[in-house]
Amino acid sequence: AQSVTQLDSQVPVFEEAPVELRCNYSSSVSVYLFWYVQYPNQGLQLLLKYLSGSTLVESINGFEAEFNKSQTSFHLRKPSVHISDTAEYFCAVSETHFNKFYFGSGTKLNVKP
Amino acid sequence: NAGVMQNPRHLVRRRGQEARLRCSPMKGHSHVYWYRQLPEEGLKFMVYLQKENIIDESGMPKERFSAEFPKEGPSILRIQQVVRGDSAAYFCASSPARDSSYEQYFGPGTRLTVT
Repeated sequence: AQSVTQLDSQVPVFEEAPVELRCNYSSSVSVYLFWYVQYPNQGLQLLLKYLSGSTLVESINGFEAEFNKSQTSFHLRKPSVHISDTAEYFCAVSETHFNKFYFGSGTKLNVKP
Repeated sequence: NAGVMQNPRHLVRRRGQEARLRCSPMKGHSHVYWYRQLPEEGLKFMVYLQKENIIDESGMPKERFSAEFPKEGPSILRIQQVVRGDSAAYFCASSPARDSSYEQYFGPGTRLTVT
């Protein structure tokens, strides 16, 4: 079975500082990888995804994530965060040919002024 | 194009009552997924449905929980004889087809509180 590990439950950071949210997964088969963001009392919104091709994927609001197959990681990074980035971020994995998602336990990003 | 809709947004039930959670997928989507999020945890897959078919219910508890996605109308997640441990946020997601972009679009969730 799949498992997704987000080691950091909370990440406090000052505005305009860089941030990295870590995600590791375990799987014996090929996977698709996703990062979702959840604002308070809202549903999940897709931030970015890796299906195939370039291992570096970017979102429209400055986040990027790199798929590292050898380390089974898909860490999320942003070079300069804003207050509005304060939210909870979930890493998710789906085995190719299946649509069942396995989620990590989430990382709460708290951006301070 | 409206997103995935779930209602009610908040639901309070006493122990032993039934809870019915509704999910209307995005227009044109024929696949629905239900997830449960316990406090301080990530989402856990419960069930995957297509119209009139349950495709994968490997995450559903064996008793008291059932799900359906009829030909007409929303998908329903039904919890009978609720217990305090059922208190959680229940999210529905939809997708247009099984082998498309593998992306799932999530609704705002229903927060169930069992008193």
